[in-house]
Amino acid sequence: AQSVTQLDSQVPVFEEAPVELRCNYSSSVSVYLFWYVQYPNQGLQLLLKYLSGSTLVKGINGFEAEFNKSQTSFHLRKPSVHISDTAEYFCAVRLNTGGFKTIFGAGTRLFVKA
Amino acid sequence: GAVVSQHPSRVICKSGTSVKIECRSLDFQATTMFWYRQFPKQSLMLMATSNEGSKATYEQGVEKDKFLINHASLTLSTLTVTSAHPEDSSFYICSARAQTVNEQFFGPGTRLTVL
Repeated sequence: AQSVTQLDSQVPVFEEAPVELRCNYSSSVSVYLFWYVQYPNQGLQLLLKYLSGSTLVKGINGFEAEFNKSQTSFHLRKPSVHISDTAEYFCAVRLNTGGFKTIFGAGTRLFVKA
Repeated sequence: GAVVSQHPSRVICKSGTSVKIECRSLDFQATTMFWYRQFPKQSLMLMATSNEGSKATYEQGVEKDKFLINHASLTLSTLTVTSAHPEDSSFYICSARAQTVNEQFFGPGTRLTVL
């Protein structure tokens, strides 16, 4: 079975500071990895995804993530955050065996302070 | 492109009534649609997967007779919460998988409040 662990439920950070949101996964087979952002009372928006190839993935809004197979991690980073980045961030995994079931982590609330 | 809409965005109903939520893929054909529910400050939990023209596949613990899913066309899936109770109050989100793209796109969600 697959599982996703987001190690921090909340991450407060000052504006223009760097941030890292941590994500670890567990799977007996290879997976695709995703980060989504959710603003209040809205659906999910894809930030970035890792399917194959380069382990450093760049996404929208200046975010990037690095796939580390040995540590089974897919941490999300941004070098300088804005107030508008305040939102809930979800890490997710999906088997790359053809099925489309996606497992989500519990989410990390990023709170950017002025 | 790849827009998914949900209607209504919010609904308040009395206990015992049924509520239908629509999920539409606006500019692509969706072979598969997914229904999730999200409780406050929690993650998304997959409820069921529906393929156009066939019965939905429900996740363990989800009552198929309570949460009726119909995927009648390649652009529309509906979730009907039958005999809703306050504990069914939640944020329901659908997503749709495009036929030609290995990705799913999420709708904006529907906030259901059962009084």
